[in-house]
Amino acid sequence: QKEVEQNSGPLSVPEGAIASLNCTYSDRVSQSFFWYRQYSGKSPELIMSIYSNGDKEDGRFTAQLNKASQYVSLLIRDSQPSDSATYLCAFGARGYSTLTFGKGTMLLVSP
Amino acid sequence: EAGVAQSPRYKIIEKRQSVAFWCNPISGHATLYWYQQILGQGPKLLIQFQNNGVVDDSQLPKDRFSAERLKGVDSTLKIQPAKLEDSAVYLCASSLSGQARGSPLHFGNGTRLTVT
Repeated sequence: QKEVEQNSGPLSVPEGAIASLNCTYSDRVSQSFFWYRQYSGKSPELIMSIYSNGDKEDGRFTAQLNKASQYVSLLIRDSQPSDSATYLCAFGARGYSTLTFGKGTMLLVSP
Repeated sequence: EAGVAQSPRYKIIEKRQSVAFWCNPISGHATLYWYQQILGQGPKLLIQFQNNGVVDDSQLPKDRFSAERLKGVDSTLKIQPAKLEDSAVYLCASSLSGQARGSPLHFGNGTRLTVT
């Protein structure tokens, strides 16, 4: 059974700091990895996708993937109070496969 | 581009009653998903359609849940009879194709179901 493990948090960081969110997964055939952000009472929205080992940067966000260790992380630089949300990691295998989501990590950025 | 439309936004029913949710995906999106998100958990896939065919319904409680996607566009999800543990947000999502790479999911606003 495919599983995704995330620390539920909350992870508290001060404004301007780097927030580091981590996720491990059990399915070795996973090919695609995603980070979704979900504000309280809202639906998830995609913020990053990564398919190859290494780092991928997009603005203040950096996703890191290590397939050998079955580990994916999200770094948020210069954290802002508006980044306070739950961050869900998700992965999918090749082809017409579904995404499996983790439970999410709540991030709190204090001014 | 119009987003994924869902209705109703909220629904309160008593246990053993039935309920139906409606979803209209983004125009041109072939793949439609229904997810269940219980408070404090991540979304769990209930069913995935590719056009009007079912790709994955392995986690759908088929004794009480049913879903259809007639003509490969709109979809309805039904629960009959509802149980207390069905209280959750039901999220509809769509994507251009079922292949996860390069085809992100777009979620609707969800329907919050409370079963009393």
